[in-house]
Amino acid sequence: AQSVTQLDSQVPVFEEAPVELRCNYSSSVSVYLFWYVQYPNQGLQLLLKYLSGSTLVKGINGFEAEFNKSQTSFHLRKPSVHISDTAEYFCAVSEWSGGSNYKLTFGKGTLLTVNP
Amino acid sequence: DTGVSQDPRHKITKRGQNVTFRCDPISEHNRLYWYRQTLGQGPEFLTYFQNEAQLEKSRLLSDRFSAERPKGSFSTLEIQRTEQGDSAMYLCASSFIPFEQYFGPGTRLTVT
Repeated sequence: AQSVTQLDSQVPVFEEAPVELRCNYSSSVSVYLFWYVQYPNQGLQLLLKYLSGSTLVKGINGFEAEFNKSQTSFHLRKPSVHISDTAEYFCAVSEWSGGSNYKLTFGKGTLLTVNP
Repeated sequence: DTGVSQDPRHKITKRGQNVTFRCDPISEHNRLYWYRQTLGQGPEFLTYFQNEAQLEKSRLLSDRFSAERPKGSFSTLEIQRTEQGDSAMYLCASSFIPFEQYFGPGTRLTVT
């Protein structure tokens, strides 16, 4: 079974500072990787995904992530954060479990808090 | 496209009662997933439907849980004889392309 480790449970930063949220995964097969954002009392919104091709993927709200196969990592970055980026961020890997099922396995999340 | 909707958004129930949640996926999506998210954790997979067929159930889904998707449209998740450990956020997601799952706002269940 695949697993996802988000190395930081909380990341506090000041507004307009850069941020990196770290994610490592374990898998013996090819993977599909995702970052989701969850605002308080809401569902998850897809930020970006890596399926194949370029290892640098860009998503919504100015976020990007880099897939590193040798280090089994998929870190999320943003060069300048805003107060509105305060939320919980989840890294996920898509695990093919037979047939057409591509269920997601999530990390425990990283709470990003942007302070003025 | 109105997105995935879930009803109710919040449910408070007493231990031992039965509860049922509803999920309405995006209309053209034939795949539907249920996940459970407890405090401080990421969502965990519960079950998967393709059209009306339930193709996989997690070990987390005890025999008190049942899910249906009649006619391949909306889905319901029922929990019988609720326990305090069932308190969680229940998330529904749907997809057409296998790798892009779109989540609803969730139903927060509190069992007292």
